[in-house]
Amino acid sequence: AQKVTQTQTSISVMEKTTVTMDCVYETQDSSYFLFWYKQTASGEIVFLIRQDSYKKENATVGHYSLNFQKPKSSIGLIITATQIEDSAVYFCAMREASSGSWQLIFGSGTQLTVMP
Amino acid sequence: EAAVTQSPRNKVAVTGGKVTLSCNQTNNHNNMYWYRQDTGHGLRLIHYSYGAGSTEKGDIPDGYKASRPSQENFSLILELATPSQTSVYFCASGEISAETLYFGSGTRLTVL
Repeated sequence: AQKVTQTQTSISVMEKTTVTMDCVYETQDSSYFLFWYKQTASGEIVFLIRQDSYKKENATVGHYSLNFQKPKSSIGLIITATQIEDSAVYFCAMREASSGSWQLIFGSGTQLTVMP
Repeated sequence: EAAVTQSPRNKVAVTGGKVTLSCNQTNNHNNMYWYRQDTGHGLRLIHYSYGAGSTEKGDIPDGYKASRPSQENFSLILELATPSQTSVYFCASGEISAETLYFGSGTRLTVL
């Protein structure tokens, strides 16, 4: 069965520092896709970054990067030089290639607070 | 820019009443989805559709129906609303080849 687990319910960091959010997943598929989304205070869900299971290189977009450790079924999100605007809830999600659709399995989220 | 619009933004319903949540997308995507978000569960898939006239059950379909009358519109129907269906509902659209799903802004439903 597919499952995505985020054990950190909340994290607080100082502005301009680096933060890492953890996520582990379970799947029987050999091909899958991993995502991180940000939910703002207004409730909007914004796509941040994606890692395809067959890619060995960690994805990077702006000040977001991933730490993909396939043997550990782990996909951590790293935010460098954090800003106040990064305060939000961050969700990890997975889609199995065999599903044939956008049946995303979400983790329960991590609340990030960036303090000035 | 992909656009997914949900209505209403907020809804209060009574137990046993019928509720319809609407979603419109202007992306010309074939696939549309309904998720609900509850504290501690992230988002969970209720129903989805591959195109006009099609609906499929997601992970938690009980108590919900879906309707896809056109490419642009996808509705979620609660025939007999219950307090356990109090939640925030998100509609999304996206092609399987796309980088991501595109989410609407959500509908907050309270069933009293």
